[in-house]
Amino acid sequence: GDSVTQMEGPVTLSEEAFLTINCTYTATGYPSLFWYVQYPGEGLQLLLKATKADDKGSNKGFEATYRKETTSFHLEKGSVQVSDSAVYFCALVPGYSSASKIIFGSGTRLSIRP
Amino acid sequence: DAGVTQSPTHLIKTRGQQVTLRCSPKSGHDTVSWYQQALGQGPQFIFQYYEEEERQRGNFPDRFSGHQFPNYSSELNVNALLLGDSALYLCASSLGFSGKQPQHFGDGTRLSIL
Repeated sequence: GDSVTQMEGPVTLSEEAFLTINCTYTATGYPSLFWYVQYPGEGLQLLLKATKADDKGSNKGFEATYRKETTSFHLEKGSVQVSDSAVYFCALVPGYSSASKIIFGSGTRLSIRP
Repeated sequence: DAGVTQSPTHLIKTRGQQVTLRCSPKSGHDTVSWYQQALGQGPQFIFQYYEEEERQRGNFPDRFSGHQFPNYSSELNVNALLLGDSALYLCASSLGFSGKQPQHFGDGTRLSIL
């Protein structure tokens, strides 16, 4: 079945460091891909999305490119801030289904040191 | 513009009891999905409601049931509670169910089973 695999955390970086969180997926057809972020005590917020191959999603300095050839959607940011500390979830919505269930990865906890 | 609201925020029950969780979708949204997020895990899809009908269901037993009302709000009911049902329950809403439209999440209901 469809699934998402993302790098295990926790990931700890210093402020202004470069961030990469790896994400790969297994899916039938052409899924839509997402990154969600969860701050402590809160629900999930959509960070960025891409709906077809080679699309680049971007928001708040974060970027991810939909790579069909490598089935990947890695999250990157050039210079992280303490406020970026949160749990990040890679996710997909299957392309074959008429309903929109989201399949999530297990999450990567990111901590940024001042 | 109110986002997705869930109630209650926290709930404590004992094994064997029944619980009802409530969700009001974001204004203008007509589709509601429910997810279970165990501690340290990614959310798992429970089911989705559109036009007051269950459109898609994840791998959850019949103890989990739901309802959608004419005003698009929704309830999640869980019968015969087990210790393993302890989790954060998230509600998400969207306009339609194509998968292309982003889903907006509430802050969740934290359910603890003693």
